[in-house]
Amino acid sequence: QTVVTQEPSFSVFPGGTVTLTCGLNSGSVSASHRPSWYQQTPGQAPRALIHSTNIRSSGVPDRFSGSILGNKAALMITGARADDECSFYCGLYMGSGIWVFGGGTKLTVL
Amino acid sequence: EVQLVQSGGGLIQPGGSLKLSCAASYLTVRSNYMNWVRQAPGKGLEWVSTLHPDGGAYYADSVKGRFTISRDSSENTLFLRMDSPRADDTAVYYCATNSNWHFDTWGQGTLVTVSS
Repeated sequence: QTVVTQEPSFSVFPGGTVTLTCGLNSGSVSASHRPSWYQQTPGQAPRALIHSTNIRSSGVPDRFSGSILGNKAALMITGARADDECSFYCGLYMGSGIWVFGGGTKLTVL
Repeated sequence: EVQLVQSGGGLIQPGGSLKLSCAASYLTVRSNYMNWVRQAPGKGLEWVSTLHPDGGAYYADSVKGRFTISRDSSENTLFLRMDSPRADDTAVYYCATNSNWHFDTWGQGTLVTVSS
């Protein structure tokens, strides 16, 4: 069974930088998995931030950037703000029409 | 602006049946990759199903054989029929489009509670 791993929680100071990761229990994440990232505040639908590893969705500030770091996909947030406090999810395309999401990272801005 | 408006959630008994709807505006359902994603209370996102423009349907193992994704082109609406639901199907269900390899537009979500 494919499991996409994310840090359950992370903390950052206002103005700081944080890198969230997205891995696979059964191997490495690569660009072929088309990594995407989503932001979700409680009670709201998710919002797309990044797709195809590093392409920002329309209206997403350049404080958010995506990459592959080693064997994982990564989302870096610079200049953290209080309203960045929410949950972040990664999504991976596994082929044959199948998608899998990670368990999400709850970000706290201290 | 593309908009997805969902309806059809509610309380359903185990073993019953329920059909969720997702009406699209400014987007043609039959020409796009349309999806259902769910989120159990306090949990993360779970991909449920995708309907391709060519009619191909794909399902997560957890719902395969019990859920059916479909569309009505005349109504420009996406559906998810849930048969034989279980307690662990309780979740907020979102419809979403998928373009450029990501879920870019989301509906508002609808809560489905499976309980006797």
